[in-house]
Amino acid sequence: DAGITQSPRYKITETGRQVTLMCHQTWSHSYMFWYRQDLGHGLRLIYYSAAADITDKGEVPDGYVVSRSKTENFPLTLESATRSQTSVYFCASSESPTAGTEAFFGQGTRLTVV
Amino acid sequence: DQQVKQNSPSLSVQEGRISILNCDYTNSMFDYFLWYKKYPAEGPTFLISISSIKDKNEDGRFTVFLNKSAKHLSLHIVPSQPGDSAVYFCAASAQGYGQNFVFGPGTRLSVLP
Repeated sequence: DAGITQSPRYKITETGRQVTLMCHQTWSHSYMFWYRQDLGHGLRLIYYSAAADITDKGEVPDGYVVSRSKTENFPLTLESATRSQTSVYFCASSESPTAGTEAFFGQGTRLTVV
Repeated sequence: DQQVKQNSPSLSVQEGRISILNCDYTNSMFDYFLWYKKYPAEGPTFLISISSIKDKNEDGRFTVFLNKSAKHLSLHIVPSQPGDSAVYFCAASAQGYGQNFVFGPGTRLSVLP
């Protein structure tokens, strides 16, 4: 199916564990993003990528690692999960944020760190 | 400090009336603005956008107004329908300033039947 998909939809993990959230898009968009949604903060950018093998930090990158070996995939890894990383995570893709195109979002991953 | 602000966390309107959602921004480099709608347990979906060279953009029941001098934009929904009940996010982007979208905290709209 065309679009952007995230997996898993729900995840419970323990403090200190490593966990990876997956994101896959079928449009061949150059740009991909990871946001987290928390009450009162809206959507805050964690990391973004302008192309394969090009990534950059967003507003709240600490504790997260990303990679982009292929254009269509942009996994987000929490190296040692903390309770403050309990959140809903959204992946998005876009042709180009600077050329007046919108971002398309996945359905989100609800992560709970216990 | 938030670059995109939505100062009303929530808004309630009667069905059939106008809904007006407001957004303010601080970065004068922003030149493209978007509104997203989000239902529970779903990802945000694009609703409408406006370039800084315009002051109005209309799409059916949805109109976005941009006042660059005031760094303010608003989304008008007329007439409001119960299905419009959702969280609305304002977002902005800028050429030459980061290659991403900056989102506001959102406004929860409730349209009452």
